[in-house]
Order: sequence, then structure tokens, then C-alpha cells
Amino acid sequence: EAGVAQSPRYKIIEKRQSVAFWCNPISGHATLYWYQQILGQGPKLLIQFQNNGVVDDSQLPKDRFSAERLKGVDSTLKIQPAKLEDSAVYLCASSLDRRYEQYFGPGTRLTVT
Amino acid sequence: RKEVEQDPGPFNVPEGATVAFNCTYSNSASQSFFWYRQDCRKEPKLLMSVYSSGNEDGRFTAQLNRASQYISLLIRDSKLSDSATYLCVVNTGDSSYKLIFGSGTRLLVRP
Repeated sequence: EAGVAQSPRYKIIEKRQSVAFWCNPISGHATLYWYQQILGQGPKLLIQFQNNGVVDDSQLPKDRFSAERLKGVDSTLKIQPAKLEDSAVYLCASSLDRRYEQYFGPGTRLTVT
Repeated sequence: RKEVEQDPGPFNVPEGATVAFNCTYSNSASQSFFWYRQDCRKEPKLLMSVYSSGNEDGRFTAQLNRASQYISLLIRDSKLSDSATYLCVVNTGDSSYKLIFGSGTRLLVRP
């Protein structure tokens, strides 16, 4: 069974530029998550989707971050404009439903210079 | 106070040693508890769930003390391949089942 796919794997941008990340969850998984993991810290949930609806986005900096999950499958996370403190690994995860085990993708490592 | 607190380590132990990690959580409504393992520059992976009665999976034993809001992980007979960061994870206890991750405890097993 294919795992969670993410692209790109690495991205380097300058501050104030825009960037987008893509995630393809495991087939049939209803719940999709975006996490931000800063070096030395655990993953922090940014947004949680159930199918194509948002369950929780309380920690998403909505002035610069946006995410969508059209058709309840793939998802994109966008940052516009980026700040230096956005440098982190962005992890996508999916689960069969919100009560089930979460499977993580390999992540996108973002460096903002 | 952090929602989930862990000793960052590193714990540096010889092969064959027994090592224990502890974790405390602040939300008394949390209902689900987990230990995840994260290798360097890799994604987190579920190691084991933690049940009220305690549970064991091979060399790994997890325990939960709800009264003290404390979770532990014991690794017996450490292997070189156990070197990783161990993340303590709890849910928020509400209908979102949102997970809160600790910052992790780093384990280094030396030959």
C-alpha cells in the first residue's frame, strides 16, 4: 500500500516570497493533517481536515498560511508571504478517520533566507 | 506550562541496557496516549499506544498513571537500532481527537 506522498521534499525561498506544498494521503483516508515541526520540537498541528471540511485550524497563522483539500483527497498548504521563522519541516499525515492511527509523509523541509 | 513535557536527553546508554523515559501531560481530559519514534530527518512513526492497564510489545513497555498525568516508556536490552527520538503524544480529549506532541527524548545506544 502506498504511503502518504509529499512534494517537494526540499524548498529554499527568500523571506516575503510564496511557497506551496502538496500532499496526497493514503487512499481511503478521510482525515488529513498538516503539521509544522521546528528543529528540536515535536510536530505542531496546523490544520486538520475531515474529508474536505476543516475540523481544526486554531493554530494556523491565517494571515499568511492557507490550506485546502478539494474533493476530499489531495491537499495543498500555502505560505504567503514567508517569514524567517517559517523555516521548518512541514509534515502531512492521514488517518482512516480521526480516531485511528496517523501515518506521516516524509515531509517538506523549508528554509527561508 | 507545556501541554506535554519530556526530558530532552540525550540518554546515552550501552547496548543491552535498560532505559526509561517519562512524560507528563497537563490536560486531564486526554483519553488517548501514544509513543512515537522519529529517526533523524525522518517522519514520526507510531511505536505503541499506551493503555490504562499498561502494555508491552517485545522489549518495550508503556505505562500510564492518570492520577499523576504521567506516561512512561521502558526499553529493555537496548539495540543500536533503538537510537532515535521518542515522542510522547496525547490527544486533546475533545471530538477532534487532535494529537499534542512532546518535544521528544533523544536516545543514543552505543556499542
